[in-house]
Amino acid sequence: GAVVSQHPSRVICKSGTSVKIECRSLDFQATTMFWYRQFPKQSLMLMATSNEGSKATYEQGVEKDKFLINHASLTLSTLTVTSAHPEDSSFYICSASHDGPGNTIYFGEGSWLTVV
Amino acid sequence: SQQGEEDPQALSIQEGENATMNCSYKTSINNLQWYRQNSGRGLVHLILIRSNEREKHSGRLRVTLDTSKKSSSLLITASRAADTASYFCAAFQGAQKLVFGQGTRLTINP
Repeated sequence: GAVVSQHPSRVICKSGTSVKIECRSLDFQATTMFWYRQFPKQSLMLMATSNEGSKATYEQGVEKDKFLINHASLTLSTLTVTSAHPEDSSFYICSASHDGPGNTIYFGEGSWLTVV
Repeated sequence: SQQGEEDPQALSIQEGENATMNCSYKTSINNLQWYRQNSGRGLVHLILIRSNEREKHSGRLRVTLDTSKKSSSLLITASRAADTASYFCAAFQGAQKLVFGQGTRLTINP
């Protein structure tokens, strides 16, 4: 079945530094990927829609200059948390649609970010 | 904003019992999906029910959809300890954005 891979699965960084998280679709091409953020015991909140070859579409309240998204190829999207602060510590999950909009979405395993 | 509201937020039952989780949504949908998430892990797609379907089965899972009430339910029969997880409903907001309900944290006690 379709697989979406995220890397790293866990990362600890110092406050003020930047961290990049990768999301890859391993056996299918994904023109659109999605980035979610999840705090403990809460639901997933959509941060942005990553579009291959164009700018990401950010949800209201998400700082696009802080959460940089690049979708350089049909199988890779990256999320960079810039100038990270402890409040950015969270679980970040990406997803991709195998057959385009409106169909089953496959999720990566998520990335735990801890900012110290 | 989140599409779905789920209840209960937490459910604890004995192994072997049935677990029912409910989801209500706000806007019209083409389909509704249910996902499972083990603690600290990614999401696993469980089942998709289309707007023209009323009920769907997959193994021990049964999903119903009532578009007139904008609600769906997930029933897990003969629960097992391994079913302990969080369960989320999700629906598309527009063509591409999948938004999630608040989720139900299910605990199966052995």
